[in-house]
Amino acid sequence: AQKITQTQPGMFVQEKEAVTLDCTYDTSDQSYGLFWYKQPSSGEMIFLIYQGSYDEQNATEGRYSLNFQKARKSANLVISASQLGDSAMYFCAMREGMFSGGYNKLIFGAGTRLAVHP
Amino acid sequence: GAVVSQHPSRVICKSGTSVKIECRSLDFQATTMFWYRQFPKQSLMLMATSNEGSKATYEQGVEKDKFLINHASLTLSTLTVTSAHPEDSSFYICSARRSRLSYEQYFGPGTRLTVT
Repeated sequence: AQKITQTQPGMFVQEKEAVTLDCTYDTSDQSYGLFWYKQPSSGEMIFLIYQGSYDEQNATEGRYSLNFQKARKSANLVISASQLGDSAMYFCAMREGMFSGGYNKLIFGAGTRLAVHP
Repeated sequence: GAVVSQHPSRVICKSGTSVKIECRSLDFQATTMFWYRQFPKQSLMLMATSNEGSKATYEQGVEKDKFLINHASLTLSTLTVTSAHPEDSSFYICSARRSRLSYEQYFGPGTRLTVT
């Protein structure tokens, strides 16, 4: 069964520093996708970045990059130059295989609460 | 970008009553919509997947008679919590996907349900 593990319940980082949020996954599918979402205190889920299992390059979106290590089944999120507005919950999620017969539902990790200090 | 709305954003109801939550895709047609529940300080748990014009697929442990889902059109899905109890108090979030081959889900802002 698919599973997402985020082992860091909370992380602290100084403003302007980089931070890495860990995510490991388990799946038997060959085709899958990995997402990172940010959830501020308002509750909305904000899409940050996506990595497909066949993508050879690590995904990047502005200050966000995904360190994808397929053999280790890890998909860590790196936030560079942290800002106070980055303080939020961060969820790693996995989409089941593209043609697994389902509707590509997402499975979420437990989340990591990031606090950015001035 | 794609916009998904939810209504209401907050609702308080008495135990035993039913509550309907709407999820709308505002600028695209959603072939599939998902309903999640999130308890305080916990992750999102998928409750059900709904496709326009067909019955919803519920996740294991989710009572389909208690959480009624209707996906009547390509832009609207509704979740009705029937005979609500305090333990149903939670944050309910919907998401929508354009097509079966599209990987991205667009999330609504969520609905906070409090049952007294």
